[in-house]
Amino acid sequence: EVQLVESGGGLIQPGGSLRLSCAVSGFTVRIHSMSWVRQAPGKGLEWVSILYGADSTYYADSVKGRFTISRDISKNTLYLQMNSLRAEDTAVYYCARALASGPRDYWGQGTLVTVSS
Amino acid sequence: EIVLTQSPATLSLSPGERATLSCRASQSVGSYLAWYQHKPGQAPRLLIYDASNRATGIPARFSGSGSGTDFTLTISSLEPEDFAVYYCHQRSNWPLTFGQGTRLEIK
Repeated sequence: EVQLVESGGGLIQPGGSLRLSCAVSGFTVRIHSMSWVRQAPGKGLEWVSILYGADSTYYADSVKGRFTISRDISKNTLYLQMNSLRAEDTAVYYCARALASGPRDYWGQGTLVTVSS
Repeated sequence: EIVLTQSPATLSLSPGERATLSCRASQSVGSYLAWYQHKPGQAPRLLIYDASNRATGIPARFSGSGSGTDFTLTISSLEPEDFAVYYCHQRSNWPLTFGQGTRLEIK
């Protein structure tokens, strides 16, 4: 059974750092493209980042230079390192496998990040 | 960046009625357009991928059409569980983007 479980969210002050984790079971993160998508309170979905292939990465302009996506194949886990956090980064962060690239994609249930002093 | 503009922002309909949701891209995305359904407290659910292909387990009342810059999601006869927010999403160009959403509410 495929499962994605996010963790690492919480309350952080502006300018701080946080690392989100997405523990995966039922498939290997080495094979599939993996994305982070977020939803700010009262707002729509926003794509954040993707990691695919050997180690190709892309980022939304809003997080470029501040966020880093990575994976640990030995732990079968996806990460999102978030630095220089801003109030506007407050959101539920979802990890997802193979976003809309076939008949099935898989999402976690999300982890809430709140950036506030 | 490709901007996806969804219309209407809110659609008020009754169960049994037909829903037509639109998504317009600021430049061609070919057929690399998907539709998601999102309910509060849940993960988004893929409905349609590559413009017109129903995702696994999606009922036949959901259909997608279009190519290039203009796309439509049609729900032929609304069920009570269909009332949610719907997003279009393009994977044609980096960065990937979502539309701002259409809220489908019960009239």
